[in-house]
Amino acid sequence: DAGVTQSPTHLIKTRGQQVTLRCSPKSGHDTVSWYQQALGQGPQFIFQYYEEEERQRGNFPDRFSGHQFPNYSSELNVNALLLGDSALYLCASSLLGTSFTYEQYFGPGTRLTVT
Amino acid sequence: GENVEQHPSTLSVQEGDSAVIKCTYSDSASNYFPWYKQELGKRPQLIIDIRSNVGEKKDQRIAVTLNKTAKHFSLHITETQPEDSAVYFCAASPTYSGAGSYQLTFGKGTKLSVIP
Repeated sequence: DAGVTQSPTHLIKTRGQQVTLRCSPKSGHDTVSWYQQALGQGPQFIFQYYEEEERQRGNFPDRFSGHQFPNYSSELNVNALLLGDSALYLCASSLLGTSFTYEQYFGPGTRLTVT
Repeated sequence: GENVEQHPSTLSVQEGDSAVIKCTYSDSASNYFPWYKQELGKRPQLIIDIRSNVGEKKDQRIAVTLNKTAKHFSLHITETQPEDSAVYFCAASPTYSGAGSYQLTFGKGTKLSVIP
């Protein structure tokens, strides 16, 4: 039973560039949530995708956008990168469908460094 | 929106002693409270959770208590072992259908060190 996977593991970008991060949910899950974790802080909710739509959004600017594909995998896109976007980006999968469960399981994260 | 406060930020205990981490939340609509353990460089791992219709839940050496009236919940680890050393995060989430639902709001974390 595959767990949550993310790619790439690490990424270094320059200010102003754009980046795309990818996430595959745990087998059987249909919902992907994205979180940003700055060093020494708890994860902060960015947004959540279910049925290929953004269902919830945290307090993040429009530079952060996403997508969910029919196979439930998801992408996080960040445009016009700022130094402050440097963080660990985590995705978490869960099940909101007919067999709803509360638990969210995290992937290993993508470490983004903006220089 | 929801705000979760977590204390203490660091905690050192002797191996075999108990550790307690406390969290408070602000949104009375929150009804799901998970705890995650994050080792250095690793993903947050769900270790235990509690729902608002339950006051206490145990899983071997780990227990969580919830006081909905006071809006606080706590993690208790008994007979601590060196492998319990990690950063622990509490979180809160409403699970009704509506704005803010199913999104986890995390505390800032507690770094637990278990001294052999």
